[in-house]
Amino acid sequence: NAGVTQTPKFQVLKTGQSMTLQCAQDMNHNSMYWYRQDPGMGLRLIYYSASEGTTDKGEVPNGYNVSRLNKREFSLRLESAAPSQTSVYFCASSSQLLMAGDTQYFGPGTRLTVL
Amino acid sequence: EDKVVQSPLSLVVHEGDTVTLNCSYEVTNFRSLLWYKQEKKAPTFLFMLTSSGIEKKSGRLSSILDKKELSSILNITATQTGDSAIYLCAVTGANSKLTFGKGITLSVRP
Repeated sequence: NAGVTQTPKFQVLKTGQSMTLQCAQDMNHNSMYWYRQDPGMGLRLIYYSASEGTTDKGEVPNGYNVSRLNKREFSLRLESAAPSQTSVYFCASSSQLLMAGDTQYFGPGTRLTVL
Repeated sequence: EDKVVQSPLSLVVHEGDTVTLNCSYEVTNFRSLLWYKQEKKAPTFLFMLTSSGIEKKSGRLSSILDKKELSSILNITATQTGDSAIYLCAVTGANSKLTFGKGITLSVRP
């Protein structure tokens, strides 16, 4: 039982390049999330998926797209990377959409640098 | 817009000290408050609080929620160097999404 896994762990991009961050969970969770974490800003929600087949914008969705490929996998795509997207990206999952009694499990993170 | 404020932003203590970390929130239709510990990598879950006045305890860590004051505290007694981390507070409200505070950086010196 690996929990939440993310690939890659590190990535350096040039401005304008595209890439996809991958996330998978093996806990049979319905809900999945993408966050970014910047110094002094805490964790901010980019997109989330309440269940397979649905996705919704979070606090900072601009410049990103997501795909909930199946129940296990939730990918985050940067179509044209910008230096402002330099950050650490965390994927998380929970059994439901954070009802009382539920909790989130986080992946190890992807450190992305855009030059 | 939901808001979470943590204080202090950082603190330094010595091993054996007791620390209290604060979290206050403004959220529409509060559902739960969560505490996480983040060391070098991903946050790990500590507590979820939904009811006022009921203390949750895990070893040297404990936390309590005060819905009247819209706040929570996380206490760590007999601190150890392994407690050095960023402690994150987050709340869920009507939209069921987590809103995080900026975190409290705790450094425990030997």
